[in-house]
Amino acid sequence: GNSVTQMEGPVTLSEEAFLTINCTYTATGYPSLFWYVQYPGEGLQLLLKATKADDKGSNKGFEATYRKETTSFHLEKGSVQVSDSAVYFCALDPTSGTYKYIFGTGTRLKVLA
Amino acid sequence: NAGVMQNPRHLVRRRGQEARLRCSPMKGHSHVYWYRQLPEEGLKFMVYLQKENIIDESGMPKERFSAEFPKEGPSILRIQQVVRGDSAAYFCASSQTDMSNQPQHFGDGTRLSIL
Repeated sequence: GNSVTQMEGPVTLSEEAFLTINCTYTATGYPSLFWYVQYPGEGLQLLLKATKADDKGSNKGFEATYRKETTSFHLEKGSVQVSDSAVYFCALDPTSGTYKYIFGTGTRLKVLA
Repeated sequence: NAGVMQNPRHLVRRRGQEARLRCSPMKGHSHVYWYRQLPEEGLKFMVYLQKENIIDESGMPKERFSAEFPKEGPSILRIQQVVRGDSAAYFCASSQTDMSNQPQHFGDGTRLSIL
């Protein structure tokens, strides 16, 4: 079946530290991959996406590369800020047209000043 | 605001009452999805609707839950005779199509609390 596994949180970092949040997936087809961010009390916002192998999604200093050989889509940022504190969700759309996004359980990031 | 609009943001109900959650998709979007997020968990797909049609309700409990997306007006998720276990955040998303290059855009959710 299709599934997404994220590293457990919370992840606590100091400002300007390097961030990696691991995400691996299982899919039977050719999935599209997404990272969503959820700030406290808000909905999910699309952070970045990649629709095929070797694509790199990037936005607001965050980036993730779709690696088919390791079935991974790790989220990275070179220098985090306090305002990046949020819950990050990795998600998968198994194949085009299935619409049933499959979400990981989320990783809470806390950035300390 | 051209985003997905959900209301109310917070809803409190007593056991046995009905809960009605509304979602207006982004302008130009005709596909609506409802997800449920239990505390400390990811989102779980419930139902996918297009105007006047339920396309897939495989993630929705068979009893007490229903959804609609009428020709005019918002999509409604309705929960009858609520129980404590219905307490969760309910998110609506919309997209232009159901293709992967048209990602789903989410609303801020309705947080339902059952007393």
